[in-house]
Amino acid sequence: DIQMTQSPSTLSASVGDRVTITCRASQSISYWLAWFQQKPGKAPKLLLYKASSLESGVPSRFSGSGSGTEFTLTISSLQPDDFATYFCHNYDSYPITFGGGTKVDIK
Amino acid sequence: EVQLVESGGGLVQPGGSLRLSCTASGFTLGGRWMSWVRQAPGKGLEWVANIRQDGGEKHYVDSVKGRFTISRDNAENSLYLQMNSLRVEDTAVYFCARYDGSHRPFDYWGQGTLVTVSS
Repeated sequence: DIQMTQSPSTLSASVGDRVTITCRASQSISYWLAWFQQKPGKAPKLLLYKASSLESGVPSRFSGSGSGTEFTLTISSLQPDDFATYFCHNYDSYPITFGGGTKVDIK
Repeated sequence: EVQLVESGGGLVQPGGSLRLSCTASGFTLGGRWMSWVRQAPGKGLEWVANIRQDGGEKHYVDSVKGRFTISRDNAENSLYLQMNSLRVEDTAVYFCARYDGSHRPFDYWGQGTLVTVSS
């Protein structure tokens, strides 16, 4: 099974900060990587797919990069609505897996 | 508008069974792979099972193989998860989600239904 390791697990930041979250796969998954945002008590929301494709309706301050085993999610200027938990997701092959999550909270 | 609504969660004793349902609207269920994903309290996301449009191909995470069965009724716009031999570690919010493994995975989700396995 492909393991997905996210870092950091928690990130404290301020409004306006540039934030970067990393996701590493235990073996190459090409570009089959998605990012989700989840707020407490809510379902996850798809932000990016195929590593760098922005989901419709998602603000352009979110961007993704990487391929193979190393990927990043970047928020260019953190907004109040962005305080949430972020998960990466490998959909290269079964079993499809998620990273452990990165909680972005207020500094 | 795409909507997915789960039902059927509740409290069950270890070893018991439960059947979750997910009713879809706003799109043709029969045209999409569908999934169940779960989240234990305070924990991360765990994919549980996927089913192809016609129900002819299914995939499961190892921890539920032989205990859980995913199925669908496209005519009723419904997805199901039959859960048998439930364990305490199956306690979680269960989400149904629309899945496209060649493009945008899990693009729509339901609100989730809580399954609690406890004596």
